[in-house]
Amino acid sequence: GESVGLHLPTLSVQEGDNSIINCAYSNSASDYFIWYKQESGKGPQFIIDIRSNMDKRQGQRVTVLLNKTVKHLSLQIAATQPGDSAVYFCAENNDYKLSFGAGTTVTVRA
Amino acid sequence: SAVISQKPSRDICQRGTSLTIQCQVDSQVTMMFWYRQQPGQSLTLIATANQGSEATYESGFVIDKFPISRPNLTFSTLTVSNMSPEDSSIYLCSVVRQGGTEAFFGQGTRLTVV
Repeated sequence: GESVGLHLPTLSVQEGDNSIINCAYSNSASDYFIWYKQESGKGPQFIIDIRSNMDKRQGQRVTVLLNKTVKHLSLQIAATQPGDSAVYFCAENNDYKLSFGAGTTVTVRA
Repeated sequence: SAVISQKPSRDICQRGTSLTIQCQVDSQVTMMFWYRQQPGQSLTLIATANQGSEATYESGFVIDKFPISRPNLTFSTLTVSNMSPEDSSIYLCSVVRQGGTEAFFGQGTRLTVV
């Protein structure tokens, strides 16, 4: 069946460097995507979203890129900080129902 | 953002018993959902909690196992019935506020079945 998934399960990044987290999706009809951050013992926290009529959206230290041609989504975190250590999920939003990818665990090295 | 309170935050239960998880929101919301996150895995939608009517379940989830109530716009419960160790997971409530599009999550209920 169609699903949302992530390329890599873990990412180790040096503090201060930029992080890039990738996500592939298979449902070409998808038009709304969200990135969530989940810290240990907490629920997912909204980071940024993007609709299919855009290919880039920026937030505070984060940028989401959408390539509809290859059905690929990425999250870029600038100047990664220790507080960015968490599991990151991409999710496909269909009428507010979320289909989550597998998740990427980001570990920030001091 | 919406303030979501889930109770209990964690529990250890005997197999064969049932646990009811509560989700209380600080403001009226249009949509409420329940998700399951099995150990080390991603989140999977269990069902949509509909106010005043039966919940809408996703494939693989049934009402007899996961009965859900939503008596008003700010409160919902999920019951995990006749539990087995395979039900050990984090159960999360999610809401969408009126006029909004963003889904907010509670902190989750960590359930261990022994």
